[in-house]
Amino acid sequence: DADVTQTPRNRITKTGKRIMLECSQTKGHDRMYWYRQDPGLGLRLIYYSFDVKDINKGEISDGYSVSRQAQAKFSLSLESAIPNQTALYFCATSDLTTSPNTQYFGPGTRLTVL
Amino acid sequence: KQEVTQIPAALSVPEGENLVLNCSFTDSAIYNLQWFRQDPGKGLTSLLLIQSSQREQTSGRLNASLDKSSGRSTLYIAASQPGDSATYLCAVQTGANNLFFGTGTRLTVIP
Repeated sequence: DADVTQTPRNRITKTGKRIMLECSQTKGHDRMYWYRQDPGLGLRLIYYSFDVKDINKGEISDGYSVSRQAQAKFSLSLESAIPNQTALYFCATSDLTTSPNTQYFGPGTRLTVL
Repeated sequence: KQEVTQIPAALSVPEGENLVLNCSFTDSAIYNLQWFRQDPGKGLTSLLLIQSSQREQTSGRLNASLDKSSGRSTLYIAASQPGDSATYLCAVQTGANNLFFGTGTRLTVIP
């Protein structure tokens, strides 16, 4: 079984809809991240969380919110989706106590906003 | 702001060839540099991580080098195989959670 899972894997929605992307991990890591990937721009950090009580904005947090429901779960929400949020979204985890700088990525969620 | 560039954007080589992928970054104040492999539908897999104090790392047929002062890294793949076909991403870490990615090199190894 995959250590970092994302649901859904693909989603098509309409402008103005609220969307939640979910990430779960079985690695026991304390840190979790959300990135988006756009053609020609590479991956960019949206939000990250050091633990359940710690949430931090990344480079491109506008239009997004997150929730760290438990150590193993980190959700990304688009309150009112817009077409330029069409992208591939990745969740990642890392653990300061074991591999401090290696991030482990989920398979990605492809989101299309019409 | 750190900028990471990867050249070429795409590369096709016949099976068995050795090849080099290039990565450059604008700010030499980095913690480490990582090379990832991205396969469609499978996310990113970390291949090699080079700490800022290191010059190179090796794993099997892969060798990554780092020249921090010039802002450059290379990923050398020996005896390429069709299974090496993927997109290779370079990323530099400049803070506790600041990981800056390049746009990748899409590699195709032709049987």
